Amino acid sequence: GQQVMQIPQYQHVQEGEDFTTYCNSSTTLSNIQWYKQRPGGHPVFLIQLVKSGEVKKQKRLTFQFGEAKKNSSLHITATQTTDVGTYFCAGPMSSGGSNYKLTFGKGTLLTVNP
Amino acid sequence: DAGVIQSPRHEVTEMGQEVTLRCKPISGHNSLFWYRQTMMRGLELLIYFNNNVPIDDSGMPEDRFSAKMPNASFSTLKIQPSEPRDSAVYFCASSPPRGLAGVSYEQYFGPGTRLTVT
Repeated sequence: GQQVMQIPQYQHVQEGEDFTTYCNSSTTLSNIQWYKQRPGGHPVFLIQLVKSGEVKKQKRLTFQFGEAKKNSSLHITATQTTDVGTYFCAGPMSSGGSNYKLTFGKGTLLTVNP
Repeated sequence: DAGVIQSPRHEVTEMGQEVTLRCKPISGHNSLFWYRQTMMRGLELLIYFNNNVPIDDSGMPEDRFSAKMPNASFSTLKIQPSEPRDSAVYFCASSPPRGLAGVSYEQYFGPGTRLTVT
């Protein structure tokens, strides 16, 4: 079945350093989504990428979708303590119906040392 | 606007007891998902409803787990009998209908129910 792999599993940075997490799928994805889960919280939708090679920015966060639509990355510039949390990528897997279920990666836990 | 509502937020029960988790999706959303999250296994999809109909329950661990969605604004996940290995955080999420462009799958998660089975 479809698998979504994320690396690294953990990343600890000093405040102000950059951070990148990578997501790879075993199959081509129609789109990819990114979520953030704060410690003790629930996953919160960040963004969705649809087009091959697409790049989107949200303030200090830059999201990329690979040309082959099988990989994606999230880059955070100059991390802040508010960036702490687990970042998940998720790809849809068709199972019929008008919406699709998502396969989530295991996530990358980011900790930031102030 | 109210997000996805889940109850209870915390549940502690003894092995063998029945547990019922509840979810109210966001109004207008037509897909509902139940997930289980543990440190070991991450975020696992248990079951998925579309327009109140169960579409895929392949993630349900075993017959002890059952889920219903009697109407568009309510769903339950039941575990009977519960076991210690069921201890986890259970999330409910809902998703809006796919738009005309065909791409609208973002999911909105509830706060979760932390279940502890002793």
